[in-house]
Amino acid sequence: DIQLTQSPSSLSASVGDRVTITCRASQSISNYLNWYQQKAGKAPKFLIFVASSLQNGVPSRFSGSGSGTDFTLTISSLQPEDFATYYCQQSYSSPWTFGQGTKVEIK
Amino acid sequence: VQLLESGGGLVQPGGSLRLSCAASGFIFSSYAMSWVRQAPGKGLEWVSGISDSGGSTYYADSVKGRFTISRDNSKNTLYLQMNSLRAEDTAVFYCARDSSTSGTFDFWGQGTLVTVSS
Repeated sequence: DIQLTQSPSSLSASVGDRVTITCRASQSISNYLNWYQQKAGKAPKFLIFVASSLQNGVPSRFSGSGSGTDFTLTISSLQPEDFATYYCQQSYSSPWTFGQGTKVEIK
Repeated sequence: VQLLESGGGLVQPGGSLRLSCAASGFIFSSYAMSWVRQAPGKGLEWVSGISDSGGSTYYADSVKGRFTISRDNSKNTLYLQMNSLRAEDTAVFYCARDSSTSGTFDFWGQGTLVTVSS
């Protein structure tokens, strides 16, 4: 199975900050990497697919990059509604696997 | 798009439970579907998937042989039959729609809680 490791596991940031979360795969997954946002008590929300394509309706302050084994999710200017946990997930090969999550908290 | 899970609850170890996911707002028979779970305070774990026709099914090793995924396209409903339940199966179970790219989950239900405890 492909392992995904996110870093950091948590971070504290202020509104307006630029935030970067990384996701490293245990083997090359080309660009088959997705990102999800999950707020407390809610279902995950689909943000980005194939590493850098924004899902319809997702604000442009979110962006993704990377290929092979190293990927990043960037929030260019953190907004109050962005405080949540973010998960990367690979869609390269089954079983589909997720990173352990990165919790973005208010500083 | 709406996905509405039901069927969760408290069950004893070794017991069984069947989850349902009622889909609406899209052509259900055109999409593969999956179940993803989240243990309390933990991350997301893909559990099982099924092709649009139901002809192909896939399972995580952790549930293989105990869980069975199925669908009824005439009823726009996805199912997960869970047998031989263990304490470690305690989780919120989400159904999720597979987008046109396999293994990419573009819409999720609100989840249903399964608690395995004596």
